[in-house]
Order: sequence, then C-alpha cells, then structure tokens
Amino acid sequence: EIVMTQSPATLSVSPGERATLSCRASQSVSSNLAWYQQKPGQAPRLLIYGASTRATGIPARFSGSGSGTEFTLTISSLQSEDFAVYYCQQYNNWWTFGQGTKVEIK
Amino acid sequence: EVQLVESGGGLVQPGRSLRLSCAASGFTFDDYAMHWVRQAPGKGLEWVSGISWNSGSIGYADSVKGRFTISRDNAKNSLYLQMNSLRAEDTALYYCAKVTRGKYDYWGQGTLVTVSS
Repeated sequence: EIVMTQSPATLSVSPGERATLSCRASQSVSSNLAWYQQKPGQAPRLLIYGASTRATGIPARFSGSGSGTEFTLTISSLQSEDFAVYYCQQYNNWWTFGQGTKVEIK
Repeated sequence: EVQLVESGGGLVQPGRSLRLSCAASGFTFDDYAMHWVRQAPGKGLEWVSGISWNSGSIGYADSVKGRFTISRDNAKNSLYLQMNSLRAEDTALYYCAKVTRGKYDYWGQGTLVTVSS
C-alpha cells in the first residue's frame, strides 16, 4: 500500500497570505495525485488532479505541483472560504489518502 | 447536474449487516467506475472499495476485505455496498464517489453508519 504523508497537520495563516501544503508518497505515484478540500459538514471537493490541473470551477489561486513522491498545493492568497481541511490522494496504485492538513485562521 | 445520493445507513449492532445504496443521476452511469470512501467521526478519508463500469474489476481495502461486497446495477443507475460482520471501527460516514480517470470528480453527501450495542 502506498502511504501518503501530509505536512503540516495544521497550518495557521492570515487572510491574504500564501499557504503551502505538502504531500509525500512512500513510492512514486507519477502525476496521479489529486487534492481535495473539505469544509465542516460537507463532502470533499476536487481541487486539483494530475498533480497540477485545476478542476472545473476552481479559482486560479489554487495551484498544484510535483511528481513522483513530492507534491505541493499552494493557495496564493487565502480567502475566508479557503479555511478548510485539505487531503491529497494518489490514484496510481489503488487509492490512498493523506491524513489531511487543516488550514485555520491565524 | 450530477447527483449522488446515498442511503441505507443507521445504527446497527456489532456483528450485524447493513446494505448501503447510492443512486446516481445526471451522467451516463455505466460509463464510469464508482467507489465507496468512508470517514470516521473527526478523522480523515479512507478508501473502502471500488468497482469498474462493468463490474469486471473490483477492489477492497484490507480493513473490509471478506466482510464487505460492492456491486452495481447499471439498469437502475445504482451502486451498493453490502456490509457484513460489522465492527465498531466501521462507524463512519460513507460516501459514494464517481471516478473519472482515477480521481473523484463528484461525491455524494454521505450516509452515516454507527456500529454499537
């Protein structure tokens, strides 16, 4: 099983600042990596797939990068609606999720 | 508009069974693989099971293998999860998800399963 490790567990950021979230795979997943956003009481929402492609309707302030085992999700200027939990997921070899990064208001 | 609506959750005693359903609409159901993902209270996401468009390929997480069975009825645009020998650790919100080239582009709102005596 491919283990996905996200860091940090919690990220405290002020509105308007940049947030950088990391995700590491225990073995290469090529670019088969997605990011999801989940707000309290809601289902997850697809943000990024193929490591760097924004899903339909996702604002340009969200960007993804990386390949192989190291991936990054960047939110260029945090808006109030961006405070949430973010999960990475690999779909190269079955499917596994990271444990999540909570982005909270500083 | 794509819609996925889960049902069938509830309170069940350990060792008993439950069958979850997911009704799909707004897309050609039999063109896509479908998965179940669960989330224990206050915890992260866990892949549970997946089924290909024609039921030819099926997979399970080790944590549920031998106890859960995934199936689909393309004529009814429905996905199912038969859960047997339920344990307290199966308590979670169960989501169904539409799979497009590996990623989950649509999710349902989930159905809550609570395993407790």
